[in-house]
Amino acid sequence: DAKTTQPPSMDCAEGRAANLPCNHSTISGNEYVYWYRQIHSQGPQYIIHGLKNNETNEMASLIITEDRKSSTLILPHATLRDTAVYYCIVSYSNTGNQFYFGTGTSLTVIP
Amino acid sequence: EAQVTQNPRYLITVTGKKLTVTCSQNMNHEYMSWYRQDPGLGLRQIYYSMNVEVTDKGDVPEGYKVSRKEKRNFPLILESPSPNQTSLYFCASSPIRGLAGGPSPNEQYFGPGTRLTVT
Repeated sequence: DAKTTQPPSMDCAEGRAANLPCNHSTISGNEYVYWYRQIHSQGPQYIIHGLKNNETNEMASLIITEDRKSSTLILPHATLRDTAVYYCIVSYSNTGNQFYFGTGTSLTVIP
Repeated sequence: EAQVTQNPRYLITVTGKKLTVTCSQNMNHEYMSWYRQDPGLGLRQIYYSMNVEVTDKGDVPEGYKVSRKEKRNFPLILESPSPNQTSLYFCASSPIRGLAGGPSPNEQYFGPGTRLTVT
């Protein structure tokens, strides 16, 4: 199973970049890495996903190491509204249709 | 507005009384899924469906049933609820895209959650 490991919590100063790491050492060649976040008990919100190359969208950047065993989500200029639990996920069934969210990283953005 | 809706949002019930939590999406997504969230355990997948009449077990399917008779709806059924099913439940949907390795769900859109208490 391609499960993930994330630090339970992190702090970041407002306006600075938040770098959230994730280890997925058992990821297989066709499995994508997804990032979601959850604010309080709301439904999780999709952020970004990638396979091999680094990706960027309006919310964040995703850096995947060359061996694909780890990745980093970067929020370039963290705001107080970015305080949330961030989940790094890989799909893990043979068909890539099952998802294990784990417990994520609780990010606190400090004023 | 594109969205996933769940009903009810809050439910308190008693052990053994059958209940259904409805989930509906208006984005014509093929993939739908149910998760439960418990303190310290994160989100765990209960069941998922790749399309109409196609459902599969996730991590924690015991005590739950689902059906997918229409593309937009994916109800979660608890035939005989027990207190250990007290949890926060989320429904999600996703388009299926042609990813490396074959068609797979992509970004998932989540509903607002249903907080269930079984006494």
